[in-house]
Amino acid sequence: QSALTQPASVSGSPGQSITISCTGARSDVGSYNFVSWYQQHPGKAPKLMIYEGTKRPSGVSNRFSGSKSGNTASLTISGLQADDEADYYCCSYAGSSTRVFGGGTKLTVL
Amino acid sequence: EVQLVESGGGLVQPGGSLRLSCAASGFTVSSNYMNWVRQAPGKGLEWVSIIYSGGSTYYADSVKGRFTISRDNSKNTLYLQMNSLRVEDTAVYYCARDLVVVVAAAPYFYYALDVWGQGTTVTVSS
Repeated sequence: QSALTQPASVSGSPGQSITISCTGARSDVGSYNFVSWYQQHPGKAPKLMIYEGTKRPSGVSNRFSGSKSGNTASLTISGLQADDEADYYCCSYAGSSTRVFGGGTKLTVL
Repeated sequence: EVQLVESGGGLVQPGGSLRLSCAASGFTVSSNYMNWVRQAPGKGLEWVSIIYSGGSTYYADSVKGRFTISRDNSKNTLYLQMNSLRVEDTAVYYCARDLVVVVAAAPYFYYALDVWGQGTTVTVSS
């Protein structure tokens, strides 16, 4: 159950687009479409932003999109806004009824 | 309103025990997949345990044999019994529900956590 690999930090200016990668293994990201992404503001509970790799829950802005290729999943945020500044975590089903999170990425909006 | 409220956190010595509770409202715990996720101070999220609607339970290797997830259907409440606590178990503990969509009267689970509690803090220290 090794954590998925995410960049520690990314940054972008308002209006720009950024992409956060999430690299796993054939045993997790590479084998299942059950990749989800969470946004967490300081002191708050995580919020589901993307599920099943590419789907957005009701109420989540279409500026957030997900994709997957091989063992790597990605979250793209377009039209960056100040409120997007937060920590982002990926998570994958890892078989045997377990799941694994990424280490998290701190997004800074410049 | 769909809501989860955790309680039971606190300060405990290494080797001690603690039971966390997670009271649900707006939905039925026993009909859903329910999880515990923790976050050590300044660190990332770590999945801890799941209980399926059918009652099967699974754990992360880091807590297997020490933690037990359970539920009380009459109270619509999820629990996490934590024994043999270690300093490295210090964290905010969240309960969270798996996203489920009903299609043609059948539930489809997406292994994504769509409802989270506010968290309860567990500190293991002497």
